[in-house]
Amino acid sequence: NAGVTQTPKFRILKIGQSMTLQCAQDMNHNYMYWYRQDPGMGLKLIYYSVGAGITDKGEVPNGYNVSRSTTEDFPLRLELAAPSQTSVYFCASSYSLGHLSYNEQFFGPGTRLTVL
Amino acid sequence: QKEVEQDPGPLSVPEGAIVSLNCTYSNSAFQYFMWYRQYSRKGPELLMYTYSSGNKEDGRFTAQVDKSSKYISLFIRDSQPSDSATYLCAMSAGSGGGADGLTFGKGTHLIIQP
Repeated sequence: NAGVTQTPKFRILKIGQSMTLQCAQDMNHNYMYWYRQDPGMGLKLIYYSVGAGITDKGEVPNGYNVSRSTTEDFPLRLELAAPSQTSVYFCASSYSLGHLSYNEQFFGPGTRLTVL
Repeated sequence: QKEVEQDPGPLSVPEGAIVSLNCTYSNSAFQYFMWYRQYSRKGPELLMYTYSSGNKEDGRFTAQVDKSSKYISLFIRDSQPSDSATYLCAMSAGSGGGADGLTFGKGTHLIIQP
């Protein structure tokens, strides 16, 4: 299994440009997440999905959009890039039975994004 | 007051020392407590998780949770240079999925000197 994969690894955007960060998992996990990690800070949840076709906002959703058309893929879209979106973006997935038991989140290697 | 407080370090100790890493939190609804290890330019990987109060041991690692004090700890015995990384505490009110997500501390940068 490749686990959680993310592309690209690095990207530099100009202010106002758009891009999509790709995330895929091959573990048949139902839950998927997007986090951002700013320098010297913890990870903050942007969006999450509990299954194909179902997404919801996390703590810091402004400036981002997501979709989930398949179990495997969970792309993150930045429409009008701003310098405040310079960060490292991590995708994660887990298999959840809801609140019946603990479910481990597995993280991808991250995408480093700089907006100039 | 932030939900999860964690000293960012860096914390530098000699090889073989016992390391103590800590987090405090304010949300009494947190029930699941996790420690993640993150090497430079990599994604976080789960080290240990604990449900509610108590201790959990896994090899050289011991996690402790004191819900009455809202304080969690990770101890590393016989520390090795390969333990050098950033250690993130994370917490969840539910099982870690859905609207709960995970609430992370800032991470402590640990350096084990050979």
